[in-house]
Order: sequence, then C-alpha cells, then structure tokens
Amino acid sequence: TQLLEQSPQFLSIQEGENLTVYCNSSSVFSSLQWYRQEPGEGPVLLVTVVTGGEVKKLKRLTFQFGDARKDSSLHITAAQPGDTGLYLCAGDGKEEYGNKLVFGAGTILRVKS
Amino acid sequence: NAGVTQTPKFQVLKTGQSMTLQCAQDMNHEYMSWYRQDPGMGLRLIHYSVGAGITDQGEVPNGYNVSRSTTEDFPLRLLSAAPSQTSVYFCASSRPGHGGIGELFFGEGSRLTVL
Repeated sequence: TQLLEQSPQFLSIQEGENLTVYCNSSSVFSSLQWYRQEPGEGPVLLVTVVTGGEVKKLKRLTFQFGDARKDSSLHITAAQPGDTGLYLCAGDGKEEYGNKLVFGAGTILRVKS
Repeated sequence: NAGVTQTPKFQVLKTGQSMTLQCAQDMNHEYMSWYRQDPGMGLRLIHYSVGAGITDQGEVPNGYNVSRSTTEDFPLRLLSAAPSQTSVYFCASSRPGHGGIGELFFGEGSRLTVL
C-alpha cells in the first residue's frame, strides 16, 4: 500500500488540453515535492510546497498543497508535447518518517501533437 | 559541476553473481540514498545515509549492502543477484531543507538485468 496515492496512473491527451494530477495521503507532511522524469534520466525537482493551502505557479504548471498538508495537486494548462513524462510526488516529513522521502507511484503523461 | 554520477549505466548479470553500483556526488551533501524504480511502483528506497559512517535501511533493503566511508561516495552492493533485482537503480543526494530531507538530486540511473 502506497503512503502517497497518485492519480491517474496514466494520462494521454491532445496538445492544448488541461489536466490535473492528484497526490493524496492520510498522513501529514512537512512539505511535498513534485518531480518530473524523462525516459533514461533521473527525476528532476519541479517545486516544493511547504505551507498548507499554498499555491505555486511554474509557467503553465500550478501546484497546490492541501490545507491539512495531506494532499497536493498539479494542474497543467494548455499541455504541450514537451510536458510528456513521468510526474512523481514525494512527501517529506522528517518527524513521522525519519530520514526518508515517501514517493507516489507516479503519473505517466503523454501529450500528443 | 557533475552533480551525482552513477556507474555503470547498464549491466547484465547472471543469477548468483555479485556487483557494485558506484555513486559519487560533488555537492558536499550529507544525505545520500539508493532507490530502485520498477513499472507502476514509483521509487522505492533501498538504503540511505545521513553522513559518512552512518547508513540505514529503507523500504526494500534485502539483498543489498551499502557503506559510506566518505561524504562523496555511496556504493550499493548486490551480494548474490536474483532476477527480482532486475530494475533501474537511482542514487540521490540532498541537503536538508523545509524541516526534512530537502530536494533530491538524482543520478542518471543504472539499468540492471539479472538473467
């Protein structure tokens, strides 16, 4: 059982469409990270959200941390083929999980032109 | 600036063979970790280290050993390879931030196949 549940597992959309990826947990995290991974490479950090209710924007990507710091979402507006990749959320909560990041299973996004 | 360097990138082993995956970072990070990535299962933590001379087990440590003699290096040893260890392995390092582990910097991965 994943401590962090990501949904959907797979998303295939047309260029220009909007999408949202969800990351949910019953546990509280001190912060939550979103990574993007391209084939043959390691994950790269997109953003870290720290405060409950926080919203961060990175160009067409909008990240939100839930008020209770148990869940997060990633919204992409007008998706582009360059957004294709694996998106991973990771919970960081040193008090509860010790020196470990907890990863979700990931969402594979494919944007078709 | 190299960041996190993993070698080899590809390796094929026979069941029962042993090998070491090398990981080095040049960012003076205290925290280093090894993950394996399998389809549909995200990243699972194998072992981690919070500093030289200190290591601890993660979620899936069986069949793997680690050591941390220097801040820079964190090798992962497979003692007797099994087909279930076929996977992509990632080494990562970080500097603490936001009250936790902080941002992980990953290597490019090592793809291991055990026949």
